[in-house]
Amino acid sequence: GAGVSQSPRYKVAKRGQDVALRCDPISGHVSLFWYQQALGQGPEFLTYFQNEAQLDKSGLPSDRFFAERPEGSVSTLKIQRTQQEDSAVYLCASTLFPDSLYEQYFGPGTRLTVT
Amino acid sequence: QQQVKQSPQSLIVQKGGISIINCAYENTAFDYFPWYQQFPGKGPALLIAIRPDVSEKKEGRFTISFNKSAKQFSLHIMDSQPGDSATYFCAASSSYNTDKLIFGTGTRLQVFP
Repeated sequence: GAGVSQSPRYKVAKRGQDVALRCDPISGHVSLFWYQQALGQGPEFLTYFQNEAQLDKSGLPSDRFFAERPEGSVSTLKIQRTQQEDSAVYLCASTLFPDSLYEQYFGPGTRLTVT
Repeated sequence: QQQVKQSPQSLIVQKGGISIINCAYENTAFDYFPWYQQFPGKGPALLIAIRPDVSEKKEGRFTISFNKSAKQFSLHIMDSQPGDSATYFCAASSSYNTDKLIFGTGTRLQVFP
């Protein structure tokens, strides 16, 4: 069956450009997470949605980062005025219900390189 | 208090050997401890997970050992195979905090034939 998909898979942006990263979760999954994975590091939590409600955005590193999930399915992570330190892989994960009994399924990630 | 510390950073094991990766945590509110496997260019995939009410969980060649009093848990891979070569991450989450995963820094495992 279809898993979590993310697009684009690779994105190169010049410093100062805005970017938008898309996540298509598994159909019917209520919870959606965004994580940032720097090279050689573990993923770090950015933000969490339950349906369309953004319940936790404590991991967003600055107000340049914005995420939305307006209809409770597809989510977009937007980064304004990109900086070199934003270079990382951005991972999306979804789970059927908001309970750790349900596995978080990860997408392949979007590799963002800011030049 | 949110950190999960993982060691070693890298591990080289011969085929058929045992791979052991260790993690430690501080936050006693954590109530779910998964291990993820990640291949290059792929997202992490759940390997095995444990809750603090048991001290050990085994699935095939993979075993988690959990020590609640020491706040430590470990992954054992028995009969390691070249196909196990990947990066492994421990993680922890709390049902009181949206179940967001707090990951360790990863262990790069290489299994040589």
